[in-house]
Amino acid sequence: QVQLVQSGAEVKKPGASVKVSCKASGYTFTSYYMHWVRQAPGQGLEWMGIINPSGGSTSYAQKFQGRVTMTRDTSTSTVYMELSSLRSEDTAVYYCARVMSLAVAAIGYWGQGTLVTVSS
Amino acid sequence: DIQMTQSPSTLSASVGDRVTITCRASQSISSWLAWYQQKPGKAPKLLIYKASSLESGVPSRFSGSGSGTEFTLTISSLQPDDFATYYCQQYNSYSFTFGPGTKVDIK
Repeated sequence: QVQLVQSGAEVKKPGASVKVSCKASGYTFTSYYMHWVRQAPGQGLEWMGIINPSGGSTSYAQKFQGRVTMTRDTSTSTVYMELSSLRSEDTAVYYCARVMSLAVAAIGYWGQGTLVTVSS
Repeated sequence: DIQMTQSPSTLSASVGDRVTITCRASQSISSWLAWYQQKPGKAPKLLIYKASSLESGVPSRFSGSGSGTEFTLTISSLQPDDFATYYCQQYNSYSFTFGPGTKVDIK
């Protein structure tokens, strides 16, 4: 079965960077794009970007251009999301999420979420 | 980026009510729209994809319609398990914007 297991909670100071990992299992890692979505406390879902695990190409939401980097390691079936120049507004739960299938491009599988807290 | 709006932002309803949520895109997205349900502390769950296709295992009281820029999610008879927040998401381009959400709570 498809599983996305994310790294643990992080506490960072303003101006620092955070790198969250998402290890995939139960399917062919390179066959499905992976999204990153975040949700601030009490707020809605915010799409951050997408990575193609096969070639490593990425597309980022305009809001995060220049601050986010998504990478992957095919040897460990892991994708990473690094966000730099953190500010308090970046406090959120960060999810990796995979499309449902090759025929359905909507998101069907989610990681458990990683809480990133930015505080001085 | 394509902008998504939803209305209403909050909806108070009773068990058995018919509920309709509207989602609008800032430009045409054909039928590339999904609806998700999210409960507190949980990841979202896919309900509808391609505007009107019901995801496997989702109760038939959920339905979606629309194309272009205007879409609706309808719950034909609200059940206690349906009190949650609902999000639309467009996936027309490599910018998969979510709507701001509609919270359905108990009247």
